[in-house]
Amino acid sequence: DIQMTQSPSTLSASVGDRVTITCRASQSISSWLAWYQQKPGKAPKLLIYEASSLESGVPSRFSGSGSGTEFTLTISSLQPDDFATYYCLQYNSYSETFGQGTKVEIK
Amino acid sequence: EVQLLESGGGLVQPGGSLRLSCAASGFTFSNSAMNWVRQAPGKGLEWVSAISGDGDSTYYADSVKGRFTISRDNSKNTLFLQIDSLGAEDTAVYYCAKSGCSGDTCYSRFWGQGTLVTVSS
Repeated sequence: DIQMTQSPSTLSASVGDRVTITCRASQSISSWLAWYQQKPGKAPKLLIYEASSLESGVPSRFSGSGSGTEFTLTISSLQPDDFATYYCLQYNSYSETFGQGTKVEIK
Repeated sequence: EVQLLESGGGLVQPGGSLRLSCAASGFTFSNSAMNWVRQAPGKGLEWVSAISGDGDSTYYADSVKGRFTISRDNSKNTLFLQIDSLGAEDTAVYYCAKSGCSGDTCYSRFWGQGTLVTVSS
């Protein structure tokens, strides 16, 4: 099975900061990676698919990059609504795997 | 607008069974692969199972293989998850999700609000 290592597990940042979250796959997954945002008590929301494609309606301050085994999610200027937990997902194989999550907290 | 409404969760004793349902609307259900994803209290997301649009292909996480069965009724736009031999480790919110696909490669695109399964005596 493909393992996903996401870092950091927690991130403290201020409004306006540039934020980067990383996911590393245990083997190449091409560009089959998605990023989700989840707020407490709510379902996850898709942000990015195929590593760098922005889901419709998602603000352009969110961007994704990478291929193979190394991927990043960047928030160019953190907004109050962005404090949440973020997960990566590999869907290269029929057994999908999420990263452990990154909680973005207010500094 | 895509809408997914899960039901069937609740309190069940260890060793028991439950059947979760997910009523779908706002899209052509039979054309869409579907997923179940769960989240234990205070923990991360765990993919559980997936099914093709026609129901002919099913996939399971190793942690649930042999105990969980995914199925669908395309005439009723409904997705199911039969969960048997429940243990405490199965306590979680269970989400159904509509897949977005590039060819045969799919991910969870739209999510329901989830249904809570609690396994306890």
